Amino acid sequence: QLVQSGAEVKKPGASVKLSCKASGYTFTSHAIHWVRQAPGQSLEWMGCVNVGNSHTEYSQKFQGRVTIARDTFASTAYMELFSLGSEDTAMYFCVRGDGPGSWLFDYWGQGTLVTVSS
Amino acid sequence: DIVMTQSPDSLAVSLGERATINCKSSQSILSSANNKNYLSWFQQKPGQAPKTLFYGASTRASGVPDRFSGSGSGTDFTLTINTLQAEDVAIYYCQQYYGGPITFGQGSRLEIK
Repeated sequence: QLVQSGAEVKKPGASVKLSCKASGYTFTSHAIHWVRQAPGQSLEWMGCVNVGNSHTEYSQKFQGRVTIARDTFASTAYMELFSLGSEDTAMYFCVRGDGPGSWLFDYWGQGTLVTVSS
Repeated sequence: DIVMTQSPDSLAVSLGERATINCKSSQSILSSANNKNYLSWFQQKPGQAPKTLFYGASTRASGVPDRFSGSGSGTDFTLTINTLQAEDVAIYYCQQYYGGPITFGQGSRLEIK
């Protein structure tokens, strides 16, 4: 199970840090990906972390503006997005990969709504 | 980036009938190393997170009813839903995980006629 943190409202230029707490499996045996969905739009991959070795990969679109990390003791992954603009208003999902560095998605979190508004 | 294009954008099918959704990738997502297609299908019901239906183009995820089937290889893929039920109303997305960045189709909205 992946349980994400609650909804956030941020002003333009601010940053937001979301969490994704895992339970019911060995946290270090699966990657965690972050995917977002703007209102009425399709899904967009942001990046991922190999929870076992902390190696991260990012979509070039978000490179330099996003940090994905994990805390193995807390079985929690984090995604921090900087310099928010109105275009970052979206639902953000964490998704488990089926292996440590896997890009194959199996289980999804419930999502966290981020609203960017002045 | 690999572009994923779905068709149709929306479809309305009668209960008990078959629904078919197509997905085309801009380049082959079949690995010559292991002969696997790096293609998944997801179902997103209104107000919910997506749910994984298939991976490897045709391997059904745990708990997915067998009236759902996935097929195709290379660049052309199909999701078929036989004997459509009311609970199947959703948006369906294909996704490639062959090459970075991971990319999704635009989605196909399935409604009941």
